[in-house]
Amino acid sequence: AQSVTQPDIHITVSEGASLELRCNYSYGATPYLFWYVQSPGQGLQLLLKYFSGDTLVQGIKGFEAEFKRSQSSFNLRKPSVHWSDAAEYFCAVGFRDNYGQNFVFGPGTRLSVLP
Amino acid sequence: EAQVTQNPRYLITVTGKKLTVTCSQNMNHEYMSWYRQDPGLGLRQIYYSMNVEVTDKGDVPEGYKVSRKEKRNFPLILESPSPNQTSLYFCASRDRSWSSGANVLTFGAGSRLTVL
Repeated sequence: AQSVTQPDIHITVSEGASLELRCNYSYGATPYLFWYVQSPGQGLQLLLKYFSGDTLVQGIKGFEAEFKRSQSSFNLRKPSVHWSDAAEYFCAVGFRDNYGQNFVFGPGTRLSVLP
Repeated sequence: EAQVTQNPRYLITVTGKKLTVTCSQNMNHEYMSWYRQDPGLGLRQIYYSMNVEVTDKGDVPEGYKVSRKEKRNFPLILESPSPNQTSLYFCASRDRSWSSGANVLTFGAGSRLTVL
């Protein structure tokens, strides 16, 4: 079955520091990969997605992610974190099942930013 | 504005009192889905619907019902709520196409449910 793991439950970084959030997936075929962000008290917003082509994808708010098939990973990065980036981040996989297409989400990583 | 609207946003109820959380989307999306979010568990799918009158169970369907009588609406029904259904619920939708431009979930703002 498809699954997504995010090894880090909670990460704390200082403002201006670089950030990498890890995501690993399990899926037998080429996945569609997503990162969503959930700010406190808000719904989920799409940061970026990978479907095919260039394995380094750019998203909103200065985020990028790199798909590495050999490692089954899709790690999210940002070179310089801002205080407003404090939020929960979810990695997700889109896949085909018997009924069409569906999604599975990872458990999330909560990011705290120190001033 | 393209959006997914959930109501109510906040609800406190008691065990056994039937409730419905409504979800409506204005994007003519065929796919709709319900998730619950619990600390440390991320988003877990409750039910999803590929089209009108087509629904299927997700990972945690027990205690929930859904219906999809029209494309825009996908209500979540708790016939006899229990405290373990206290959670944050999200409705989401997407276009049917699996093309790169359309295969993105749009989420509602969430409904926080407390069952006493």
